[in-house]
Amino acid sequence: QSVLTQPPSASGTPGQTVIISCSGGSSNIGSNAVNWYQQPPGTAPKLLIYSNDLRPSGVPFGFSGSKSGTSASLAISGLQSEDEAHYYCATWDDSLNGYVFGSGTEVTVL
Amino acid sequence: QLQLQESGPGLVKPSETLSLTCTVSGDSIRSSVYYWGWVRQPPGKGLEWIGSVYYNGNTHYNLSLKSRVTIPVDTPKNQFSLKLSSVTASDTAVYYCARVRASLPDWYFDYWGQGTLVTVSS
Repeated sequence: QSVLTQPPSASGTPGQTVIISCSGGSSNIGSNAVNWYQQPPGTAPKLLIYSNDLRPSGVPFGFSGSKSGTSASLAISGLQSEDEAHYYCATWDDSLNGYVFGSGTEVTVL
Repeated sequence: QLQLQESGPGLVKPSETLSLTCTVSGDSIRSSVYYWGWVRQPPGKGLEWIGSVYYNGNTHYNLSLKSRVTIPVDTPKNQFSLKLSSVTASDTAVYYCARVRASLPDWYFDYWGQGTLVTVSS
């Protein structure tokens, strides 16, 4: 049972925008920056968003992150078939003194 | 180009110690701005942070694993390791090593190894 809650699945048609939520608490999202990781099937996770809303070099502009209070969200704009993957939010938790991942959201392109 | 490569046995017997090594190339493990860490993923499940180590040996461990885990660092070899004792079938997972950008409130894994599957079975 993760301290960060994500919906198990999300879907959209090509070109649509999909938004994934990540809900936490005051000791994690409320106190620290949120990151997002993308994990296509059979591959290692990849950093997608760091520091709430920053994209590493090479990550397409269609991916954007935001944070408000104890919740965060990831938006995938212009959905493409190659965006099918699991997406995980994550952050440091001050109470646990450790890094926590969300339960993950599987994105399907219809 | 930074690369991380996990190595170690793919099969471990119950009650024994799981040992993996991560070899880092393209960056020095002595970097002052990075930690180095381990994450695991049981088959079909989500990601779980195991712990992280700084080049001077300073560590952070997942509380749920703290009694069984150590992460030593070998700076001359530019490697760090994972040792997980008293393993059971529930420790069967793909184990990833990764570089950690650790400066709270920012803390994230920016480069990952490809992962290695470790099965716990007699």
